[in-house]
Amino acid sequence: SQTIHQWPATLVQPVGSPLSLECTVEGTSNPNLYWYRQAAGRGLQLLFYSVGIGQISSEVPQNLSASRPQDRQFILSSKKLLLSDSGFYLCAWSKGRTYEQYFGPGTRLTVT
Amino acid sequence: AQSVTQPDIHITVSEGASLELRCNYSYGATPYLFWYVQSPGQGLQLLLKYFSGDTLVQGIKGFEAEFKRSQSSFNLRKPSVHWSDAAEYFCAVVPDSGAGSYQLTFGKGTKLSVIP
Repeated sequence: SQTIHQWPATLVQPVGSPLSLECTVEGTSNPNLYWYRQAAGRGLQLLFYSVGIGQISSEVPQNLSASRPQDRQFILSSKKLLLSDSGFYLCAWSKGRTYEQYFGPGTRLTVT
Repeated sequence: AQSVTQPDIHITVSEGASLELRCNYSYGATPYLFWYVQSPGQGLQLLLKYFSGDTLVQGIKGFEAEFKRSQSSFNLRKPSVHWSDAAEYFCAVVPDSGAGSYQLTFGKGTKLSVIP
């Protein structure tokens, strides 16, 4: 069966510090991968998605970036965090044209 | 603009009572429709999905949803709510654009509280 992991689970970072969140998927190959941010009362906002290694599409211009160095690894990064980057970050995967997405446990990021 | 609307931000029901959570979408074609559930501090879990065919779909945990094209709705129902159903519920849509996009558009969620 497939599983998706995210780490860290919780992160507190000062403004201006860098960020690296990691997501890995097990039990499948060539998944579509997604990064979402969830802010209270605002639902889920798609940040990036990837249909293959090195292929990243950005949905929201911001100071975040994403990379996919391996087939089942998706990384969310920032060089300098802003207060507004605080939130709950979710990684998800889907397979081919099946459309349904499966989510990881999330990372709670607090920028202080 | 295309959108997904969940009109109820917060619903409170008594344990054992029936439940209906509303979802409306504004896409012209028949979209692919989903319901997800999120417990506090957790990721989202897929409850059920509708692509085509029978408009009443069954999901996990005793949930069902009915697609009504005339009302552009995909409401989630459960005949008898359990205390463990307290969570936030999200409706999501993939527009059937055929453009190869696999993106989901989510509603803002409905928080369900259950009174013992």
